[in-house]
Amino acid sequence: AQSVTQPDIHITVSEGASLELRCNYSYGATPYLFWYVQSPGQGLQLLLKYFSGDTLVQGIKGFEAEFKRSQSSFNLRKPSVHWSDAAEYFCAVAGTYKYIFGTGTRLKVLA
Amino acid sequence: NAGVTQTPKFQVLKTGQSMTLQCAQDMNHNSMYWYRQDPGMGLRLIYYSASEGTTDKGEVPNGYNVSRLNKREFSLRLESAAPSQTSVYFCASSATGALRETQYFGPGTRLLVL
Repeated sequence: AQSVTQPDIHITVSEGASLELRCNYSYGATPYLFWYVQSPGQGLQLLLKYFSGDTLVQGIKGFEAEFKRSQSSFNLRKPSVHWSDAAEYFCAVAGTYKYIFGTGTRLKVLA
Repeated sequence: NAGVTQTPKFQVLKTGQSMTLQCAQDMNHNSMYWYRQDPGMGLRLIYYSASEGTTDKGEVPNGYNVSRLNKREFSLRLESAAPSQTSVYFCASSATGALRETQYFGPGTRLLVL
């Protein structure tokens, strides 16, 4: 079955520290993978997406993600977190007819 | 260019009441979607409309109906609200519905059913 797992429900980092949010997927074919961010009270905004080619994908707001087929992972990273990055982050895979979202990781940033 | 707009932003209903959530997009997109977001469950697709004149069930369609009124508008109706439908509802759109496309989301409607 197609699925997306985000194992960390909450993550807390200090401002300026590096960040990695984990995402594992289950999908038979080559996946289309996405990371979205949801700021409090807002809708979801696309950070980046992967379809094929270079496995390191650059996105907006200084985020990047690396596709690792052998590990079925698509982890999101940022070298230096800003207070404005506090939000909820969703990983998604495009399934057969629809998108499948993970349960989300809520990021808290300490000043 | 407002993107995807949703009304209302917040609604409180009593069990058994009905209501319609409105969604409109101004990006000339063909495909539109309704999701619900519940704590610990991420986003789940309720219904989608691949193009004007078509609608299909998603993962959790029970208790809901939809209408694709025209290319711009896609409404979600709760005929007899239940407490289990307390959730945040998001409308989204994409250009053609191809799976590799970005979906653009509205700000959401918070619904509380008492």
